[in-house]
Amino acid sequence: QSVLTQPPSASGSPGQRVTISCSGSRSNIGGNTVSWYQQLPRTAPKLLIYNYNERPSGVPDRLSGSKSGTSASLAISGLQSDDEGFYYCASWDDSLHGVVFGGGTKLTVL
Amino acid sequence: VQLVESGGGVVQPGRSLRLSCAASGFIFSSYELHWLRQAPGKGLEWVSVITSDGTKKYYAESVKGRFTISRDNSLNTVYLQMNSLRAEDTAVYYCAKDFDSWGQGTLVTVSS
Repeated sequence: QSVLTQPPSASGSPGQRVTISCSGSRSNIGGNTVSWYQQLPRTAPKLLIYNYNERPSGVPDRLSGSKSGTSASLAISGLQSDDEGFYYCASWDDSLHGVVFGGGTKLTVL
Repeated sequence: VQLVESGGGVVQPGRSLRLSCAASGFIFSSYELHWLRQAPGKGLEWVSVITSDGTKKYYAESVKGRFTISRDNSLNTVYLQMNSLRAEDTAVYYCAKDFDSWGQGTLVTVSS
């Protein structure tokens, strides 16, 4: 059971916008930054979003992050086939004194 | 930036293993380093972090008391000493710098 809650799956057609949610609590998302990662099969995770809505260089601006209270969201617009993969959210947890992850969301491009 | 893990393998329950992560391409002594793992078919799990100067270390509850993180800033290497290994420690172990750069992972299999 993951500390952060994500839907197990999400899907959309090419060109559409899809949103992946991440629910936490005051000890993690509510008081700390959130980051998002993409993981393709048999590869290491890749950082997509940090500090709620900052993108590392090379990550397109059709990806965006947001936060409201103890929840965060990752939005992907202009969906493309190579967006398929697993997406994870993460945050520092003040009670656990460690980083907590969501269980991951498998994104399928129809 | 490059991070290269090594030291994985097959080990019996109760035994020990030490993982290494050799870093290059950045000022190693300026960054926190993390270890994370991913069990087969499962999601990501954070394991441990060590501050840039090595004075503070934090662990996931699942490994506290069994795993020890350390670093050698002169060798640009971070380590994970894993003792009293259990079957549930079987996973690909990754090291990461600030979560913006990750190694390719090393597989640890705990089995008799």
